[in-house]
Amino acid sequence: DQQVKQNSPSLSVQEGRISILNCDYTNSMFDYFLWYKKYPAEGPTFLISISSIKDKNEDGRFTVFLNKSAKHLSLHIVPSQPGDSAVYFCAASAFDAGNMLTFGGGTRLMVKP
Amino acid sequence: DGGITQSPKYLFRKEGQNVTLSCEQNLNHDAMYWYRQDPGQGLRLIYYSQIVNDFQKGDIAEGYSVSREKKESFPLTVTSAQKNPTAFYLCASSNYLNTEAFFGQGTRLTVV
Repeated sequence: DQQVKQNSPSLSVQEGRISILNCDYTNSMFDYFLWYKKYPAEGPTFLISISSIKDKNEDGRFTVFLNKSAKHLSLHIVPSQPGDSAVYFCAASAFDAGNMLTFGGGTRLMVKP
Repeated sequence: DGGITQSPKYLFRKEGQNVTLSCEQNLNHDAMYWYRQDPGQGLRLIYYSQIVNDFQKGDIAEGYSVSREKKESFPLTVTSAQKNPTAFYLCASSNYLNTEAFFGQGTRLTVV
């Protein structure tokens, strides 16, 4: 049973427009959420995170929104750039479970020039 | 520079042979992890270790073994018992109190 799900395996966006990547989770114990970006044949790199006490966190072009009641989070990239083309993984952890990260299946973002 | 290093980047082995993937970190992190990524799939946890000389099975530990004799090192052995060993293997580390995990560059293992 997948506790973290990214239902869109791929997303295509025009350069300059907004990219919205979605993630749903089922475990109500999760209290920390992260987004990672991954290029082919490389390890994931940390992008942005949000604690369950917040509903929004912003870092430059990247904003993560958390809706605890819906168990849903999203990553917004504005404006999208061709260099943003990568696979994005959503991850969640619970402090009471030793902060183990549970990853979603990933969404491949393609930003077209 | 602090970081986490996996070696080699590409590895080829014959079926039936054991192979060990190296992972070293100089971030002074307590916890280390091994993940496996298959095409079109997310990251699945193989093993993790939160302290030296202790490790726990993840979701897909069968056919793998690990050791944690030093804080900096967490090698993964892919044994001949692993039915589908060809994959991209990722090592990560984190400070126990900090949930952000740092990843190595990965090792692509191909078994022929």
